[in-house]
Amino acid sequence: QVQLVQSGGEVKKPGASVKVSCKASGYTFPNYGISWVRQAPGQGLEWMGWISAYNGNTNYAQKLQGRVTMTKDTSTTTAYMELRSLRSDDTAVYYCARDSSGWYPLLDYWGQGTLVTVSS
Amino acid sequence: DVVMTQSPLSLPVALGQPASISCRSSQSLVHSDGSTYLIWFQQRPGQSPRRLIYEVSNRDSGVPDRFSGSGSGTDFTLKISRVEAEDVGVYYCMQGTHWPWTFGQGTKVDIK
Repeated sequence: QVQLVQSGGEVKKPGASVKVSCKASGYTFPNYGISWVRQAPGQGLEWMGWISAYNGNTNYAQKLQGRVTMTKDTSTTTAYMELRSLRSDDTAVYYCARDSSGWYPLLDYWGQGTLVTVSS
Repeated sequence: DVVMTQSPLSLPVALGQPASISCRSSQSLVHSDGSTYLIWFQQRPGQSPRRLIYEVSNRDSGVPDRFSGSGSGTDFTLKISRVEAEDVGVYYCMQGTHWPWTFGQGTKVDIK
């Protein structure tokens, strides 16, 4: 069965960086992509970006350009999302979701979420 | 960016009664490939989102048939024919036709 298992919660200070992992299993990893979505406390869902697990192509939300980097390791079927220069409004639960390798969305399987808290 | 507007934002419903959520987009969601990439998600309290409906009206495996999606162009609807206790949560529409993909604000469904 398809599973996405994310790394544990993190507490970071403003200005620091965080790297969240998403370990995929139960499907052929390179045939899909991974999208990252975040949810601030009590708020809605925000799409952050997408990475192709085939060739590493990425597409980021403009508001995060320059601060976010999504990568993947095909050998371990793991995707990563790194966010730099953290601010208090980056406090959120970060989700990875299986996506297509192309232009259309899937988001059919989701990880359990990783809470990132940014606080001094 | 495409703005997705859901209404209502809060929807108290009696058990066994129908519920309907509207989602409107600021531009047409018909892709150049002919498909319409409008997805509905359910997020139960304390859980990750779950995909219910994709490409407007296709129900995911395991989703009860009381859930249905409809619409076209810029106007979409999620209907629950008879609300059950397990349907409590927040429902989001999302468009995946135009980058960046964008979500509606969410509609909170609870039991009256």
